[in-house]
Amino acid sequence: DVVMTQSPLSLPVTLGQPASISCRSSQSLVHSDGNTYLNWFQQRPGQSPRRLIYKVSNRDSGVPDRFSGSGSGTDFTLKISRVEAEDVGVYYCMQGTHWPLLFGPGTKVDIK
Amino acid sequence: EVQLVESGGGLVQPGGSLRLSCAASGFTFSSYWMSWVRQAPGKGLEWVANIKQDGSEKYYVDSVKGRFTISRDNAKNSLYLQMNSLRAEDTAVYYCARGTSCLLWGQGTLVTVSS
Repeated sequence: DVVMTQSPLSLPVTLGQPASISCRSSQSLVHSDGNTYLNWFQQRPGQSPRRLIYKVSNRDSGVPDRFSGSGSGTDFTLKISRVEAEDVGVYYCMQGTHWPLLFGPGTKVDIK
Repeated sequence: EVQLVESGGGLVQPGGSLRLSCAASGFTFSSYWMSWVRQAPGKGLEWVANIKQDGSEKYYVDSVKGRFTISRDNAKNSLYLQMNSLRAEDTAVYYCARGTSCLLWGQGTLVTVSS
C-alpha cells in the first residue's frame, strides 16, 4: 500500500506570513489515465473537512486564491501566501490514485 | 441546496451492529461514486469504503473488510454503511462524502463502541 507522510505535523504561523506544507507518497501518484489524484483538505476546529485543492493544483470553487497546490510524482506542497485567522485548523493531503485511498496524518496550523 | 446528511450513529456494545445512512440532495446522486470516511476522537481522517455509481464496484480499507458493507439506493438518493462485529477501535465520527476525491461532505454521525 501507498504510505503518505506530511511535514511538518505542527505549524505555528504569524498572521500575514506565508506557510507551506509538504506531502510525500511512497509511490508515484500518476494514474494510468495520466492524472495525478492528490487532493488537499482543510478541517477547521469542530467542522467537517473541506476540499481545497484537487488533482495537485486545481483550486475548488470558493477557495481563496491565497491557497495553492503544486508538485508531481511523489512530492507535493500546499502553500498559503498570507495566513489569515480563519486558516487555523488541520490540513490533510489525500491520494486517490491507488486503492486503498489514503489520507496523510495531517498538519495542524495555528497562530503564533 | 447541495448536501449530505448522515444518520444512524449511536452507542453500541462490542460485537454489535449498526447501520449508517447518508441522505443526498441537490445533485444527481446516481452520477457519483460515494465514500465513507471516519475520524476517531482527536485523530486524523481515515478512508473507509467507496462504491461506484451503480454499486458494481466496492472497495474497503483492510481493517473493515468482512465486517462492513457499503451499499446505495439510487432511487432513494441514499448511501449506507452496514457495520457488524464492531470493535472499540471503530469508535469515530463517520462522514459520507461525494466522489472518490470527496468534494462534498456531510456533518458526520458519531459511532461509539463501548460496553
